[in-house]
Amino acid sequence: KAGVTQTPRYLIKTRGQQVTLSCSPISGHRSVSWYQQTPGQGLQFLFEYFSETQRNKGNFPGRFSGRQFSNSRSEMNVSTLELGDSALYLCASSVGGVGGYTFGSGTRLTVV
Amino acid sequence: QKEVEQDPGPLSVPEGAIVSLNCTYSNSAFQYFMWYRQYSRKGPELLMYTYSSGNKEDGRFTAQVDKSSKYISLFIRDSQPSDSATYLCAMYRIQGAQKLVFGQGTRLTINP
Repeated sequence: KAGVTQTPRYLIKTRGQQVTLSCSPISGHRSVSWYQQTPGQGLQFLFEYFSETQRNKGNFPGRFSGRQFSNSRSEMNVSTLELGDSALYLCASSVGGVGGYTFGSGTRLTVV
Repeated sequence: QKEVEQDPGPLSVPEGAIVSLNCTYSNSAFQYFMWYRQYSRKGPELLMYTYSSGNKEDGRFTAQVDKSSKYISLFIRDSQPSDSATYLCAMYRIQGAQKLVFGQGTRLTINP
């Protein structure tokens, strides 16, 4: 059974650029959540999508956005990158109800 | 004040020791409690999942929940060098924008 796949694994971008990260959930999982992980702040919730609809959103600026496609694959986009956006971005999928989330290995974004 | 508090460590113990990891929380709305393990350069993986107060055992791992004190613990018996990782507690609530909230994570090293 394939796990959660995130691409790319590593990215280096320049301040002011934008970036798109991709997440393919486990087959049958309709819920996809995105988290930002940094050494200082830990895992911070970005947003959650379920059946192509954003169900919840964390306290991040509007530069962070996402979407989910009909096949449950999800993308997140960060525009006008800042140095502070350097982090590990993790995607997690679940069947949609209460339960454990399965995480991908993340995308390591470095902004220079 | 964070909703979920976890000592980030680091914690270093000799092989074979019993390890105790703990988290406290402030919001009574949390109903489900989880422990994740995260190896370097990987996403978190679910270790233990529990709902009610009391103990749940899985091999060398025991999760303990005390809802009255808003305190959860993870015990690792006969610790092995392969247990060296960051351990994150996580709590789930039915209501609220952010349903799954993580602790900061405790970095654990088991010395051979």
